[in-house]
Amino acid sequence: DAGVIQSPRHEVTEMGQEVTLRCKPISGHNSLFWYRQTMMRGLELLIYFNNNVPIDDSGMPEDRFSAKMPNASFSTLKIQPSEPRDSAVYFCASSSRDGTYEQYFGPGTRLTVT
Amino acid sequence: EDQVTQSPEALRLQEGESSSLNCSYTVSGLRGLFWYRQDPGKGPEFLFTLYSAGEEKEKERLKATLTKKESFLHITAPKPEDSATYLCAVENGGFKTIFGAGTRLFVKA
Repeated sequence: DAGVIQSPRHEVTEMGQEVTLRCKPISGHNSLFWYRQTMMRGLELLIYFNNNVPIDDSGMPEDRFSAKMPNASFSTLKIQPSEPRDSAVYFCASSSRDGTYEQYFGPGTRLTVT
Repeated sequence: EDQVTQSPEALRLQEGESSSLNCSYTVSGLRGLFWYRQDPGKGPEFLFTLYSAGEEKEKERLKATLTKKESFLHITAPKPEDSATYLCAVENGGFKTIFGAGTRLFVKA
């Protein structure tokens, strides 16, 4: 199994530009999570999906952030327009929810907004 | 409000010096408590899930325990390769996961 795949691994963009982060969960997993990690705030849950449906997006910081999961094997997190304070590492994780709840994380996307 | 607090923030050990990491939590409807290991530049790696007070799980030099208010990650005779950040997380009754800030462990040879 290839594990959770995220792209790009690194993204540098200018303030005001649109940024799209991509995630492919582990095959067979039916829950997907987007997290943001910073030194100041640690690991924060932004949004999670169950069976491709957004369940809780209360962690999404503001309307500039949006996430979609068009099918079971792909999700995107979009920031538009981006701001310097969005600089962080963004992780995607997936889980099977088969009675056990552990999550398997991707390698992350390091986003730098200048 | 659901909350997870880990202590200490950082821990420095000599190789072979056993110790424990603490995770205190308040949560509405605990569905599970998780321990993850995170190496620099990588995503968190799952270690253990504990579901109810009194439960214990072991893996190599690591042992996780759970009470109604806290969890401990015991490290027996650590090695330099155990150096990492250890994260504790809980999932509440609303299926939301809350992570603690982590404990950075340094093991010196």
